[in-house]
Amino acid sequence: GAVVSQHPSWVICKSGTSVKIECRSLDFQATTMFWYRQFPKQSLMLMATSNEGSKATYEQGVEKDKFLINHASLTLSTLTVTSAHPEDSSFYICSARSLAGLYNEQFFGPGTRLTVL
Amino acid sequence: GDSVTQMEGPVTLSEEAFLTINCTYTATGYPSLFWYVQYPGEGLQLLLKATKADDKGSNKGFEATYRKETTSFHLEKGSVQVSDSAVYFCALSANLGGFKTIFGAGTRLFVKA
Repeated sequence: GAVVSQHPSWVICKSGTSVKIECRSLDFQATTMFWYRQFPKQSLMLMATSNEGSKATYEQGVEKDKFLINHASLTLSTLTVTSAHPEDSSFYICSARSLAGLYNEQFFGPGTRLTVL
Repeated sequence: GDSVTQMEGPVTLSEEAFLTINCTYTATGYPSLFWYVQYPGEGLQLLLKATKADDKGSNKGFEATYRKETTSFHLEKGSVQVSDSAVYFCALSANLGGFKTIFGAGTRLFVKA
């Protein structure tokens, strides 16, 4: 149980285009989903926290107009990178916290590697 | 604010060697503590967790004990295998004006045959 999927697992796009990444909790309802960004050989950087049905809370320094987050249901959150540029190339990881919130545990997706040419 | 500090890597060991990866934390409340493992090109997998002081988390031969007095959660394994080569992240989760998880910088482990 407690599986989180991401789609796509990797994507290559041209500079200036927008890319949407989906994060789904497959077997539980997620009150809260998180989006992280990871640069090579570095730790995870929290970008934003999204609660179902409300606006996402962005961390300082993260452009909300560039990284659009939608959490339309208890099992789906999307991250859209708008007008992507090469510096947006990164590994994006989502995680979900269950409705039960046992032990403050998060369940992580497998990540999406974005390459912007 | 709350933070997690873990030993810098990379750590290189021979197969069957003993592993310790140090992790200390600072927290104002009573966080839950976790170790996650990340294999190349993949997301994070929960390795083990502890939710209160003196709890010991264990999984796949790895273990870590939540030490409140030393604010530590060191990861240990008695005999590592080549397949344990990965990046290990220590993390704490707490309500910090909303639920958040704070990660350490990660420690890369290489195990040689």
